[in-house]
Amino acid sequence: NAGVTQTPKFRVLKTGQSMTLLCAQDMNHEYMYWYRQDPGMGLRLIHYSVGEGTTAKGEVPDGYNVSRLKKQNFLLGLESAAPSQTSVYFCASSRTSPEQYFGPGTRLTVT
Amino acid sequence: RKEVEQDPGPFNVPEGATVAFNCTYSNSASQSFFWYRQDCRKEPKLLMSVYSSGNEDGRFTAQLNRASQYISLLIRDSKLSDSATYLCVVSPHNNDMRFGAGTRLTVKP
Repeated sequence: NAGVTQTPKFRVLKTGQSMTLLCAQDMNHEYMYWYRQDPGMGLRLIHYSVGEGTTAKGEVPDGYNVSRLKKQNFLLGLESAAPSQTSVYFCASSRTSPEQYFGPGTRLTVT
Repeated sequence: RKEVEQDPGPFNVPEGATVAFNCTYSNSASQSFFWYRQDCRKEPKLLMSVYSSGNEDGRFTAQLNRASQYISLLIRDSKLSDSATYLCVVSPHNNDMRFGAGTRLTVKP
């Protein structure tokens, strides 16, 4: 099993550009999450999904959108990137228990 | 005040030392507690869950004090491979994990 995978691994965007980050999991987990991690701060939840076709806002949802059209995939979109969105983005998945399994991360720089 | 607070360190210890980290949390309704380990430029990985009765996994011991709202992690006989950042995680309910910023540990020969 690959576990949780993320694409791309690295990306540089200019302010105002858009992009989509893809997360895929092969563990048949119901729940999926998107976090961002910034220096000196804990991981912060952007959006999450409790099942196919459902999404919900987390702690820092502004500037991001998500979709969960298939159970195994969770997409994070930035419609108009801003320098404040420079961060490392982690996707995670879990069963009904709170223990989460993380992907390798995407390093995004917005100039 | 942050929901989950940790001493950022760094803790620099020699091989074989015993080191302890503490973490405090503000939400008294929190239900589940964990320690995650994160290597440099890698993803967090679950180290261990923390139970009310405390639990031990080899050289690692975790304790929970609900009355004082803190969690601890003790590492005995430190190895070079223990060098990492340790994240304290508190969950008020399923799907809601609150992460501390982490405590950095460096074990030196």
